[in-house]
Amino acid sequence: NAGVTQTPKFQVLKTGQSMTLQCAQDMNHNSMYWYRQDPGMGLRLIYYSASEGTTDKGEVPNGYNVSRLNKREFSLRLESAAPSQTSVYFCASSERGPFSGNTIYFGEGSWLTVV
Amino acid sequence: KNQVEQSPQSLIILEGKNCTLQCNYTVSPFSNLRWYKQDTGRGPVSLTIMTFSENTKSNGRYTATLDADTKQSSLHITASQLSDSASYICVVSPNYGGATNKLIFGTGTLLAVQP
Repeated sequence: NAGVTQTPKFQVLKTGQSMTLQCAQDMNHNSMYWYRQDPGMGLRLIYYSASEGTTDKGEVPNGYNVSRLNKREFSLRLESAAPSQTSVYFCASSERGPFSGNTIYFGEGSWLTVV
Repeated sequence: KNQVEQSPQSLIILEGKNCTLQCNYTVSPFSNLRWYKQDTGRGPVSLTIMTFSENTKSNGRYTATLDADTKQSSLHITASQLSDSASYICVVSPNYGGATNKLIFGTGTLLAVQP
């Protein structure tokens, strides 16, 4: 089973460039998430999607946009990359939201460096 | 101050020994508390999920406990193996208005199991 698949795995961007991180899940989950993980900090929520067609800002949404293209796919776009966006990005999915106690499955991560 | 604090930050044990990792949280009220294992360079993988009313949950050699009165959780690893070397992350799901879609992550305990 593929679970949650993220692409690309690694990317180097120049300041001001744009890019899109792709995420797809094959578990028919309703909820999808984008997190970032920085050294010495816990994972922080960028955006959350409870279902197809809905998105909500998380703790650190500035500089990012998302699209819930369909039930399977949830993409994260950096319009004008900044060095502060250098991080590891994780996509995740679950049947329902975190309060439900459902298992949340994470992708393998995308390592992004902005120079 | 982080709402989810983990200790120790890092730990080295010998293969075959047991260990206990601690998690103190101030999130209140909360829906559930989770423990994740994150191998280096990989995404987090769920180990246990406990609702606020549960005291213990096991998954093979991993046993999590929860004391909602003292706001403490622990993860006990029995008969450690080299493959247990990873970061272990405590995660709390809030159950108060505006935060039910969020997860609050600890910064993790880095465990190294040596032969």
